[in-house]
Amino acid sequence: KNEVEQSPQNLTAQEGEFITINCSYSVGISALHWLQQHPGGGIVSLFMLSSGKKKHGRLIATINIQEKHSSLHITASHPRDSAVYICAAALGNTPLVFGKGTRLSVIA
Amino acid sequence: DAGVIQSPRHEVTEMGQEVTLRCKPISGHNSLFWYRQTMMRGLELLIYFNNNVPIDDSGMPEDRFSAKMPNASFSTLKIQPSEPRDSAVYFCASIPKGGGLADTQYFGPGTRLTVL
Repeated sequence: KNEVEQSPQNLTAQEGEFITINCSYSVGISALHWLQQHPGGGIVSLFMLSSGKKKHGRLIATINIQEKHSSLHITASHPRDSAVYICAAALGNTPLVFGKGTRLSVIA
Repeated sequence: DAGVIQSPRHEVTEMGQEVTLRCKPISGHNSLFWYRQTMMRGLELLIYFNNNVPIDDSGMPEDRFSAKMPNASFSTLKIQPSEPRDSAVYFCASIPKGGGLADTQYFGPGTRLTVL
């Protein structure tokens, strides 16, 4: 059974800081998703990756398949980045397994 | 496209009442998922459909929960009778036709259910 662990559970940062959120999973996967959930509740997909690194604006996602670990980085953080960030692991053709999320608060 | 549509957005009901949550997936999407989100357990998959057929309902907590997908553009999740522990946010998500379970899912805005 694949388990997905995220750390930290909660994170408070000052505006402008570099932020890292970590995700570890227990078995080999075919893809890893990062999702964002704003205080209003909606969930949007940020990245889907199976190797290497992807970048979109100030967000960067990396994955290390051998170490079963992925990170989400936010550069020059801003209060509008405040949200819950969720990672989810895909194992072949089975439903996604979700982490419990990391609640990020960026203070001006 | 309007995205995945869920209704109602908020539901407050009393214990023992029947609750029906509704979802309209994005047109052209043929896989649909129902999730429950709580602070303690995060996002949990309840059931998913492919081409309107239920594929895996092992996440449905008990017989009080049932889900249907009568056609490609509509699904319901019913709780009867509801209990306070069912209070959560329920999300519906869909995947485009041809996509696999590992692909990006498109989430609806969720229904916040409170059972008193």
